[in-house]
This record gives sequence, structure tokens and C-alpha cells, in this order.
Amino acid sequence: GAGVSQSPSNKVTEKGKDVELRCDPISGHTALYWYRQSLGQGLEFLIYFQGNSAPDKSGLPSDRFSAERTGGSVSTLTIQRTQQEDSAVYLCASSRSQNTEAFFGQGTRLTVV
Amino acid sequence: KNEVEQSPQNLTAQEGEFITINCSYSVGISALHWLQQHPGGGIVSLFMLSSGKKKHGRLIATINIQEKHSSLHITASHPRDSAVYICAVKRYSNAGGTSYGKLTFGQGTILTVHP
Repeated sequence: GAGVSQSPSNKVTEKGKDVELRCDPISGHTALYWYRQSLGQGLEFLIYFQGNSAPDKSGLPSDRFSAERTGGSVSTLTIQRTQQEDSAVYLCASSRSQNTEAFFGQGTRLTVV
Repeated sequence: KNEVEQSPQNLTAQEGEFITINCSYSVGISALHWLQQHPGGGIVSLFMLSSGKKKHGRLIATINIQEKHSSLHITASHPRDSAVYICAVKRYSNAGGTSYGKLTFGQGTILTVHP
């Protein structure tokens, strides 16, 4: 597609359930990033994939969070046993390489009730 | 202290005014981004710069690497410019100078332009 696509756009889940968020980056972009924007907070880095290198997971807040990127394209962010503090907008971005401009998706708004 | 600080946090202007948003950072960087986020909307990259100045339409971004400071200017502001403007930096690693891919963000500046 023309831009970074994220799905679902909105997700409401019950506390304790697992959720999967999907990101389709721009075709040909080797770098993919996940960020989180909590209500009233700034943007927070979660995880970064660059080509076939091991991902930089240094921003994941707990071991309930994991992400994978299959075939160097689509990425899935998984949150296990969701908590209310996980409620946020989860943003995905991709770039042609780590040194070029990043393009952001519209985000997935996650609400844990 | 945050690695990226923006000022002001909130800015209100009248249509037509010249606007400046400032960003200071405390780490070595390979690039600085200015991003725009409309209410309920996604994030759009306005500029990526590592030196000097860039201009796009009514928007101008400057960076001074020695002073670790960048500014975003909007000339002839318009109500449609109302948005959150976010400064983000791409850091160098501590060894080897290889840049990280991830961005570190400022808290954002909420701009409201009244007609």
C-alpha cells in the first residue's frame, strides 16, 4: 500500500486478555518501529527492527510485551495478560533504512477495561 | 531531565502570526525530526535534518548542532496549523558512532491558531 497500515484501528479488551496489533510497513522499508503514546504522555519507544538484525527490544516495558516481524515485512506486537496501564495508542513506523525519514501509521487505540 | 526538551508546551496564536517552537537536546544525534500530530490523527513527518536549515512551504526548520538546538518556524500561521508539534532525535550509540534507528521524543508543543 501507499502508507503504513495498522490494524485494528481501535481495540477494546478485558483486563487479563491477550491482544495482537498488526503493522504493515511501506513496501521495501527495512526498518520498522513500534511506539506507544499514553494519554497525556509523550511518545515512548518500544521496539525496533532493522533488516535481519536482532531487534532492539530495549523499550518494551515488561515481559508481557513481545513483537515479531515475519519475512522482513509485517510485524505483530503482542501484549499478554493486558493491564489497564497498557491502554494507549500504539504507533508503528517504517523507514527505508535506519538513517532515513520515518513514516507513521494511524495507530491502534487500545483500551483495557 | 528529559533528553529532549521542547518549549513552549502550549502556544496560542492569531491567524497570520509568525510562530517559533524550540527544541533542545542533550545527547549526540545523527538526525532530528519535526513531527506533526493533528487531534485524533496520525503522525506526519515534517522534516528530518542533521545540519543547517530546511524549508517546505510556510514551514522552516533550523538546527545548530554545536548548541544542540533546533527551531521550527511557521510563517503566516493558519487555523489548520493547529496541532501538536513533536521534536524527536535519532541518537548515536556510545561506541563506534553507529546511529540507533529509534527516536527519542520531546513532550510536544500544542499549537492553537485562532482565526
